[in-house]
Amino acid sequence: DTQLTQSPSSLSASVGDRVTITCLASHDIGNSLNWYQHKQGEAPKVLIYDASSLETGVPSRFSGAGSGTEFTFTISSLQPEDIATYYCQQYDILPFTFGPGAKVDI
Amino acid sequence: QLQMQESGPGLVKPSETLSLTCIVSGGSISTGSHYWGWIRQPPGKGLEWIGDIFHSGRTYSNPSLKTRVTMSVDTSSNQFSLRLDSLTAADTALYYCARHLDMTRFDLWGPGTLVTVSS
Repeated sequence: DTQLTQSPSSLSASVGDRVTITCLASHDIGNSLNWYQHKQGEAPKVLIYDASSLETGVPSRFSGAGSGTEFTFTISSLQPEDIATYYCQQYDILPFTFGPGAKVDI
Repeated sequence: QLQMQESGPGLVKPSETLSLTCIVSGGSISTGSHYWGWIRQPPGKGLEWIGDIFHSGRTYSNPSLKTRVTMSVDTSSNQFSLRLDSLTAADTALYYCARHLDMTRFDLWGPGTLVTVSS
């Protein structure tokens, strides 16, 4: 299986801060990586697909970058509504796998 | 707008079988090249992909669960189902159904249904 590790596992930041989460893959997955936001009591929501493409309707403060084995997810200016756990997910090879999550607090 | 809704028993006894159904509304389960997936989240843990099914009935499932997982699709009722055998407490989780867009991203999700395995 393709293992995904995320760092940090949790962080606390202030409104307006720039927040960056890293996702490392156990082998080269090209750009086959998505990022999801999961708020308590809600279903996960895809924010970034294909490593760097912004899902329709998602605010532009969210962005993704990277390819191969190293990926980053950035919130350029943290907002109160961004409190959530963020997961990366690879679809390069079966079984599809998710990272362990990164919890973002304010 | 396409919506999805899981339905299931809520509480299941150990060693029994879990049956969940995902009802899709606002669009046909048979159109496009989308797969239809199941993902779960045990309490306090991360997300785990269970498996996907195409409207033709073709399936892919996680090897960690493969021998216990059966998926089916009913295009006439616009729904798909998951069956998980030989349940243990480790199967207690929030179970989601989701559309797997061209087997890339899960772009639409149901609200999830909590399944507790307990005697």
